[in-house]
Amino acid sequence: QQQVKQSPQSLIVQKGGISIINCAYENTAFDYFPWYQQFPGKGPALLIAIRPDVSEKKEGRFTISFNKSAKQFSLHIMDSQPGDSATYFCAASKSNYQLIWGAGTKLIIKP
Amino acid sequence: DAGITQSPRHKVTETGTPVTLRCHQTENHRYMYWYRQDPGHGLRLIHYSYGVKDTDKGEVSDGYSVSRSKTEDFLLTLESATSSQTSVYFCAGGNTYEQYFGPGTRLTVT
Repeated sequence: QQQVKQSPQSLIVQKGGISIINCAYENTAFDYFPWYQQFPGKGPALLIAIRPDVSEKKEGRFTISFNKSAKQFSLHIMDSQPGDSATYFCAASKSNYQLIWGAGTKLIIKP
Repeated sequence: DAGITQSPRHKVTETGTPVTLRCHQTENHRYMYWYRQDPGHGLRLIHYSYGVKDTDKGEVSDGYSVSRSKTEDFLLTLESATSSQTSVYFCAGGNTYEQYFGPGTRLTVT
């Protein structure tokens, strides 16, 4: 119940395409769903986050789609660029100062 | 985030030796966290702190201890290192809504 399942493990997308990463959870007590971006040799950094009272949040080329009934949320990267190549982590929290992390998706954008 | 530094950045040690990793912050975060990152497992919480001398276990705390005697410093100790503790260790500060990570320490136990 504490797990967050992330897919795919790796993803290759052509420049200009749409990258989509999916996450699923079981615990309905989770109330905050962030995405973190990690470049090689660096720590993760918060990219975008959503709460379950909205179905979509957009920041620039990055959009989170949230489906409460299916207990799924996804990250869409529009017009993917080589600089977006990184590892992406979804996470979930129930406001107890801890995050439960997905296993990560390594995204490669081919020029 | 330059506000969180970790030392050492790389360490090779032998099985059975104690190891201490240091995290230092300049952002006055109340909450601090130690994670390990392994391929296929994402980030797993080892221990966290919610104030000076206040710490609690995460999901993979066996074989690890922590101490926080000052707001700025959060130490992770491997009491007797094992090969299964070879990993990249990240310290973070912040809270549920945003965690700021240090650059990581790559630890190899031979």
